[in-house]
Amino acid sequence: GDSVTQMEGPVTLSEEAFLTINCTYTATGYPSLFWYVQYPGEGLQLLLKATKADDKGSNKGFEATYRKETTSFHLEKGSVQVSDSAVYFCALSRSTSGTYKYIFGTGTRLKVLA
Amino acid sequence: GAGVSQSPRYKVAKRGQDVALRCDPISGHVSLFWYQQALGQGPEFLTYFQNEAQLDKSGLPSDRFFAERPEGSVSTLKIQRTQQEDSAVYLCASSLDRNEKLFFGSGTQLSVL
Repeated sequence: GDSVTQMEGPVTLSEEAFLTINCTYTATGYPSLFWYVQYPGEGLQLLLKATKADDKGSNKGFEATYRKETTSFHLEKGSVQVSDSAVYFCALSRSTSGTYKYIFGTGTRLKVLA
Repeated sequence: GAGVSQSPRYKVAKRGQDVALRCDPISGHVSLFWYQQALGQGPEFLTYFQNEAQLDKSGLPSDRFFAERPEGSVSTLKIQRTQQEDSAVYLCASSLDRNEKLFFGSGTQLSVL
């Protein structure tokens, strides 16, 4: 079945460091891919998305490129800030005959130190 | 406008009790999901509605779990004869249509004693 695999956390970085959080997926067909973020004490919210191969999603300095050949959607940011400390979830969505799948990874906690 | 609203925010139940969790999605949103999130884990799919039709309930862990959305808006997740392993945060999310971003509620934290 469809699934999403993320690197385990926690990831601890110093401010202004480069961030990569790996995400790979398994799905039939052509899913859309997403990164969601959950800040402390808040609900999940969309960070960025990509709907087809080679698309790049970007928001708030974060980027991720949909790589069909490696079934990956790694999240990157060139210079993290303390305010980026949160849990990041990779997800995929896919329409199938009669229904619709929207599946999340287990999440990666990021802690950024000043 | 209002976001996705869930109630109650916290629920403590004695083992064996029945509970009902409510989700009020954003008006006009066609798709509605229920997820279960254990501490330190990602949201695990429970069930999916498109309007009032429950198109996928493959994630419901047992026949003690039941969900409905009779008029295509408000949804209720019911858990009968609660067990300790049911303790988790139950998240509701809605979207305008398929493959669109999900809007999440704040969740209901269920503790079964």
